[in-house]
Amino acid sequence: AQKITQTQPGMFVQEKEAVTLDCTYDTSDQSYGLFWYKQPSSGEMIFLIYQGSYDEQNATEGRYSLNFQKARKSANLVISASQLGDSAMYFCAMRLAGTYKYIFGTGTRLKVLA
Amino acid sequence: SQTIHQWPATLVQPVGSPLSLECTVEGTSNPNLYWYRQAAGRGLQLLFYSVGIGQISSEVPQNLSASRPQDRQFILSSKKLLLSDSGFYLCAWSLMKGSLLGYGYTFGSGTRLTVV
Repeated sequence: AQKITQTQPGMFVQEKEAVTLDCTYDTSDQSYGLFWYKQPSSGEMIFLIYQGSYDEQNATEGRYSLNFQKARKSANLVISASQLGDSAMYFCAMRLAGTYKYIFGTGTRLKVLA
Repeated sequence: SQTIHQWPATLVQPVGSPLSLECTVEGTSNPNLYWYRQAAGRGLQLLFYSVGIGQISSEVPQNLSASRPQDRQFILSSKKLLLSDSGFYLCAWSLMKGSLLGYGYTFGSGTRLTVV
């Protein structure tokens, strides 16, 4: 069965420092996509970054990068130069090719300290 | 550009009362539509998804139902709410078709439902 595991329920990081949020996934499929979403206290879900299983390079979007290690089945999110506005809940998700639904992890709550 | 509207933002309902949450999408056609529920401090649970008008797939058996009367309208309903129905309900759409994996969800702003 497909599964996303986020083992860090909460994280703290000092402003301007980098932080890594862990995500491991479990699937026997070869074609899949991995996603990260941010959920501020307002509740909206904001798409951050995407990595395809066949992408050879790690995805980057501004201060966000995805450290994709296929053999280890990990897709960690790296936020560089943390800002106070990065304080939020972060969800890792996976979608298998040919399917309609996403599988979400339980999330990591990040708090950026001034 | 595509937008998604979800309302109401907050709702307090007594146990046993009916529920109707509405979600509409603009700027696209034939989207895949989803209803998720998020219990306090927890992850997202997929409730229903729809790939077309009148086509509803249920992921979790419960006292909720969903309908898609129009291409860009998705409604979540209940005839009688339970206390356990409290949570944050999110509607989402996606244009993922076939093997196009790169399309993420676009979420609505959510409805915070409290059943009392």
